Amino acid sequence: AQKVTQAQTEISVVEKEDVTLDCVYETRDTTYYLFWYKQPPSGELVFLIRRNSFDEQNEISGRYSWNFQKSTSSFNFTITASQVVDSAVYFCALRPSGNTGKLIFGQGTTLQVKP
Amino acid sequence: GAVVSQHPSWVICKSGTSVKIECRSLDFQATTMFWYRQFPKQSLMLMATSNEGSKATYEQGVEKDKFLINHASLTLSTLTVTSAHPEDSSFYICSARATAGVLGYTFGSGTRLTVV
Repeated sequence: AQKVTQAQTEISVVEKEDVTLDCVYETRDTTYYLFWYKQPPSGELVFLIRRNSFDEQNEISGRYSWNFQKSTSSFNFTITASQVVDSAVYFCALRPSGNTGKLIFGQGTTLQVKP
Repeated sequence: GAVVSQHPSWVICKSGTSVKIECRSLDFQATTMFWYRQFPKQSLMLMATSNEGSKATYEQGVEKDKFLINHASLTLSTLTVTSAHPEDSSFYICSARATAGVLGYTFGSGTRLTVV
């Protein structure tokens, strides 16, 4: 089965705190892709990162960093020094192999950053 | 960068009427369009996948006669909710992909449908 689990439904932090959003995925494919998207209150999906299954290097982009561990099927997302503007729903998604190209989304984690 | 324009951004309609939602790729050719539905505080659930010039492939449990998808050109895909009912009220969002195998997905801004 192909599945993405984001166990944290809601997280609330105070500005400047670091926060990690968890993502665990299930797939039998050896080739797959993982994504993170941000959905602010306006509703549009903002692309954050894409990672393929063969690249386990962690990535840092400004205050954002991602930890991909195939051994635990996890692709966690950390925001350092959080800001109020980071408040949104964050989705982790899995694109299995095959040509359909569809994305399987996790349930989403609502992050609230309080001033 | 790639842009997908989705209209309308919100719509209110009466039960029994039909509503059409459009997604246009503005600066690229969308060979594949994905249509998602999102209920409040829930995830995005794929409804159907459409390839230009072909019939859409619907996910299990999605009524193809109720949610009509047309992808007649490489820049336009439409979703028509026919005979809408209050339970169809949801956030509908499209996602376009330029070419098979290309990993980039561009999402529209979504349409909030309220059926009264």
